[in-house]
Amino acid sequence: QKEVEQNSGPLSVPEGAIASLNCTYSDRGSQSFFWYRQYSGKSPELIMSIYSNGDKEDGRFTAQLNKASQYVSLLIRDSQPSDSATYLCHVGGTSYGKLTFGQGTILTVHP
Amino acid sequence: EAQVTQNPRYLITVTGKKLTVTCSQNMNHEYMSWYRQDPGLGLRQIYYSMNVEVTDKGDVPEGYKVSRKEKRNFPLILESPSPNQTSLYFCASLPGQGAAVFGQGTRLTVV
Repeated sequence: QKEVEQNSGPLSVPEGAIASLNCTYSDRGSQSFFWYRQYSGKSPELIMSIYSNGDKEDGRFTAQLNKASQYVSLLIRDSQPSDSATYLCHVGGTSYGKLTFGQGTILTVHP
Repeated sequence: EAQVTQNPRYLITVTGKKLTVTCSQNMNHEYMSWYRQDPGLGLRQIYYSMNVEVTDKGDVPEGYKVSRKEKRNFPLILESPSPNQTSLYFCASLPGQGAAVFGQGTRLTVV
């Protein structure tokens, strides 16, 4: 079974700062990586996907992947109070059957 | 629109009264899964299915049943619900290496 670990939270940052969320994984053969945002009581929604080493930017979000070190991170620039949510890391591939997510990191952006 | 549809969204029931939560996806995904989410415990996998007539236990299967008679549907059955099954439930589907698509969630209360 794949293991996915996220940096422990909760994480609190001031409005306008950069929020950094990290995720490590155990399966060196993993090929796809995803970040989801989940507001309280709502379903997770996909915000970023990354498949190759390096950075991928989408608006204020940047995903970074380092397969050699087996970590994937999410940077949120110019953090806004509306970014306050739980962020889940998911390492793709269902060939193993069980599919687990990271335990989630709660982010709070305070004005 | 690609989506996963869960019903009902909210359910209050009494201990021991059998219930079914339905889940349907329109994306032709082979993999479907049920999760429960409790405060501080993240998403925990209940059951998953890798294809029609192929189901297997996740991390917390006790007290639940599932079936996968057709590709699009993956109902969750609680034959004798108990108060410790009060939780927020999510159905998800995904392609082999792709991102998960979640249903809207079902908030279940067992009294």
